Amino acid sequence: SYELTQPPSVSVSPGQTARITCSGDALPKKYAYWYQQKSGQAPVVVIYEDSERASEMPERFSGSSSGTMATLTISGAQVEDEATYYCFSTDFSGHHRVFGGGTKLTVL
Amino acid sequence: EVQLVQSGGGLLEPGGSLRLSCAASGFTFSTTWMSWVRQAPGKGLEWVGRVKTNTENGATDYAAPVKGRFTISRDDSKNTLYLQMNGLKIEDTALYYCVTGEAPMYWGQGVLVAVSS
Repeated sequence: SYELTQPPSVSVSPGQTARITCSGDALPKKYAYWYQQKSGQAPVVVIYEDSERASEMPERFSGSSSGTMATLTISGAQVEDEATYYCFSTDFSGHHRVFGGGTKLTVL
Repeated sequence: EVQLVQSGGGLLEPGGSLRLSCAASGFTFSTTWMSWVRQAPGKGLEWVGRVKTNTENGATDYAAPVKGRFTISRDDSKNTLYLQMNGLKIEDTALYYCVTGEAPMYWGQGVLVAVSS
C-alpha cells in the first residue's frame, strides 16, 4: 500500500522557520495537501495543490513540492502554530488516498 | 459560509450497524464530491471513502479496511451525506469526519463511533 512519510516531530523557537516534510513516490505526479490539527479540534486545510495557501491561513504558511518530497514551511513560526500537521495525497493510480502519519510542531 | 453538521454517532457492540449523517450548507452540494475521514483515539487521520456527484452516477470508492462493510451515499434534495456502517469492528472506533472533496477542504465537527463489547 502507498505511504506518505513525515517526521514525527519538529521543534523551533518563536520567530524561526519551521519546515515539515512529506515523502512519497507519487508526489512528482500528484498534488500534496497540508492540514493543521490543534488539540481537540477538527483539522483545517493549510495548503492545497502543493502550494496554494488556504484563504484563512496567514501568509507565513507556504508549500512546495520537488521530486518525491513536499514541504510545508512556516516562516516566523508563532506559538499559536503549535499543532499536528498532516500531508495528504494519492498514489499513481489515484485509487489509494493517504494521509501521512502527522508531524507534531512545537514552538517554544 | 460552508457548514457541515454531523449526527449519528454512538456506542455499539461488534457486528452492529450505524448510519452517520452530514447536513451541508453554504456551497452547491450537488456538484461537490464528498468524503469521510476518520481518526482513531490518539492516532492519525485515515481516509475512509468518497462519493462523486450524481451526474457521475454517485460513484464511490473506499479504503481497503472498510470496503464491503461501509457505504457512502448522498441525498442532494436534502443536501445530506450519509455513511452506512455495517459489520462494525472494534478497530472502527474513531471520530468520523464528513469533508468536502476527495482531498478534504472543509471539515465537519466529527462524531464519535465507539465499538466495544
